[in-house]
Amino acid sequence: EIVLTQSPGTLSLSPGERATLSCRASLTVTSSFLSWFQQRPGQAPRLLIFGASSRATGIPDRFSGSGSGTDFTLTISRLEPEDFGVYFCQHYGSPLTFGGGTKVEI
Amino acid sequence: QVQLLQSGAEVKKPGASMRVSCSPSGYSFTANYIHWVRQAPGQGLEWLGWIDPKSGGTKDARKFRGRVSLTRDTSVTTVYLELNSLRSDDTAVYFCAREDAEYGFHFDYWGQGTLVTV
Repeated sequence: EIVLTQSPGTLSLSPGERATLSCRASLTVTSSFLSWFQQRPGQAPRLLIFGASSRATGIPDRFSGSGSGTDFTLTISRLEPEDFGVYFCQHYGSPLTFGGGTKVEI
Repeated sequence: QVQLLQSGAEVKKPGASMRVSCSPSGYSFTANYIHWVRQAPGQGLEWLGWIDPKSGGTKDARKFRGRVSLTRDTSVTTVYLELNSLRSDDTAVYFCAREDAEYGFHFDYWGQGTLVTV
């Protein structure tokens, strides 16, 4: 089972700042199987990035994904007020696993 | 537009069974796998398994093997999650999610979630 470790646990930033979120896998993974989601309180997760670096439909270009092997990064270039929430990475493996999440707060 | 509509909240006693439904719309029901994911209060996400609505084939996470049942009814274009022998730590919001059929390996649409309290 691939274990995904996200860091930091909490990121305290202001609107307009840059956010850099990390997702580290316990073993090398195929980039095609790595996704990122945003979750706001009381809502379902929303797909941001799939295949490690492809933006999902309707996702603003301030969101970008990068990385390979065991280290992946989600970057939000300039935080908007609606970007605050919890971010999860996911690996489509057997079993499918999620990271523990990074909370982005004001 | 694609939507996944889930059934309403449930309250169950320990040892009982739960059943949550997920009714996709806005696309061909048999075109995409449906996955189930749960989230305990204040916790992260945990995958339970998937079902292929076309064939009825399923795969579940080892942790839930023997307790979980994933089924579908093509006549009403609905998939179901059943979890038996409920315990207090099964209290969670249960989500269904559609797997993208074009690129695969990720979930492009999610249901609104169903809170099950044990």
